[in-house]
Amino acid sequence: QVQLQESGPGLVKPAETLSLTCTVSGGSIGGYYWSWIRQPPGKGLEWIGYVDYIGSTNYNPSLNSRLRISVDRSKNQFSLKLSSVTAADTAVYYCAREGTTSGWLHYFDSWGQGTLVTVSS
Amino acid sequence: DIQMTQSPSTLSASVRDRVTITCRASQSISSWLAWYQQKPGKAPKLLIYKASSLESGVPSRFSGSGSGTEFTLTISSLQPDDFATYYCQHYNSYPWTFGQGTKVEIK
Repeated sequence: QVQLQESGPGLVKPAETLSLTCTVSGGSIGGYYWSWIRQPPGKGLEWIGYVDYIGSTNYNPSLNSRLRISVDRSKNQFSLKLSSVTAADTAVYYCAREGTTSGWLHYFDSWGQGTLVTVSS
Repeated sequence: DIQMTQSPSTLSASVRDRVTITCRASQSISSWLAWYQQKPGKAPKLLIYKASSLESGVPSRFSGSGSGTEFTLTISSLQPDDFATYYCQHYNSYPWTFGQGTKVEIK
């Protein structure tokens, strides 16, 4: 059973870059899409984007200009970098498995526990 | 972007009630819809995919139906563990978007 775990700073200053890593255990990172999803406190869910095991990405256009998602197959990890953050980027950030690359399976069947990132000076 | 609208936003129900949540898409999404359950402080959990397929391990009291622009999630007999917030998510075209959520509360 695959498990995902987010890690990274819980506090980021405005205008700086938010950086998170998701470690995948119990399964290979190969053959799947790997996503980031966020949830502002008390609000709904927003898909940020995904990376596949060869590094191809797809980003939410609302964040595209500030976003980079990458994969490190040797470590079974994928990462999120969001630049020029503001208070509006304060949220719980989840990493999730989005489904295999061999079909149209773009739902999220495994999730990390989530990590709260607060943007504040 | 495709907008997903859930109704109601909040639902008060009792144990053993039959509960139905509706999700409407701003344009046709065929059957590319998933449902999730989220409890406070926890990650969402996949319940249903492709509108009506039950995820492995999810109790059979959960069911999904619909296609095109209108979808429903039904809980046939509400159990104490089912009080939570439910979200729909489309995956018809980028970007994937979620509904705003339906909170199922104890009546």
